[in-house]
This record gives sequence, C-alpha cells and structure tokens, in this order.
Amino acid sequence: AQSVTQPDIHITVSEGASLELRCNYSYGATPYLFWYVQSPGQGLQLLLKYFSGDTLVQGIKGFEAEFKRSQSSFNLRKPSVHWSDAAEYFCVLNAGKSTFGDGTTLTVKP
Amino acid sequence: EAGVAQSPRYKIIEKRQSVAFWCNPISGHATLYWYQQILGQGPKLLIQFQNNGVVDDSQLPKDRFSAERLKGVDSTLKIQPAKLEDSAVYLCASSRVDGELFFGEGSRLTVL
Repeated sequence: AQSVTQPDIHITVSEGASLELRCNYSYGATPYLFWYVQSPGQGLQLLLKYFSGDTLVQGIKGFEAEFKRSQSSFNLRKPSVHWSDAAEYFCVLNAGKSTFGDGTTLTVKP
Repeated sequence: EAGVAQSPRYKIIEKRQSVAFWCNPISGHATLYWYQQILGQGPKLLIQFQNNGVVDDSQLPKDRFSAERLKGVDSTLKIQPAKLEDSAVYLCASSRVDGELFFGEGSRLTVL
C-alpha cells in the first residue's frame, strides 16, 4: 500500500524567511512525486515533480524539492517566502494510483 | 491545449435529492480521476479510470455514489441520494502516463 504523510498541519513563517515543508512517503519502489499548491478559493496548481534522475528538482515560483530515497522524503523548500505564498500545499504520490497528503497550511507574517 | 472542463461549478440541493457532475478531460489523457475535497481537508480519491476501466474505487461510497466513463473520454459522477456530509468540492483531474495531474476548477456541492 502507498501512503503520503505531511507531518506539519500548519506552518507560519515571516516574509523573507526560508521555508521547508516536509513530505514522507511509503512505497516499495521509486514513485512519481509531486507538490501542488492551492490558494484560497483557487484550483490546484503544480509546483514541481520528480520522476527520476537528479534528486533536486526546480519548480515554479522559486520552489525546489529534494528526493531522498534513504529517508523516503520529498521536502519542499523556498529560500525566501513572499506573502503571496500563503496557501495550502499538498504532496502527492502517483504510482498507478494517486495519493494525496493531508496538506500543510502556510501562513506568512508581514 | 484546453484544460479539464467541469460542470456545474456550483450546485445546491436538499438532502435525499440527486446530483450529477460532468467532466471532460484533456484530449489524449487516458487516466481520469474524481476527488472529493471537504473544506479544510485534502482531496480524497473517489474513483480512478484508465480509459474505460476502473483502476481504483475503494473509497467510493457505492451505496450512493456512481461514476462512469463512456468511450474513455467524458465522465459523470452521480450522487443519489445526497447526504449533508456530501457537501464538498468535487474535483476532476486527468493525466498522461507520467501521472502529472491536471485539475478542473471543481464543482462545489452544498447539501441542505
């Protein structure tokens, strides 16, 4: 069975500070992994994806994520957060069937 | 390319009534998904189709929910009879082989 865990339900950071959102997965092989963002009242937008190869992937809006097989993790990072990054972030595993994490709500303090 | 189309965008019904949602995926995408997103929660997969066949419907409440994908293109999700707890946004998504999900804008259901 496959699963995705986002340990942090809610994170608050100051504007300009760095950000890391955690994602742990359970799957027997290397899965396809994605990060999506959902702003209030908006649809789901793809930030970045990992299929294979380079374990550090770059996405839109200055986000990046690192795949670590040994830790079964795919954490999302951004060096400097902007107020517009406040949203819900979902880690998704797709290995034939898709599984969403429960999401992390990001609040940005001015 | 055109995105995933869903309708209606909003629907308000009373409990025990029925409702149907329609989804047209991106052309050429073999896989189609229906998710239920309750306020404050992440999307929950209800059913996943691969062309005409069902890949996963383990979380679909089959006593009241049904879905079909005729000819491997459009899909319809039906709820009959609706309960209060069915109030949610119903998201349709499609994907190519690589599994990247492309979402529609969603259909917001309110059950009174």
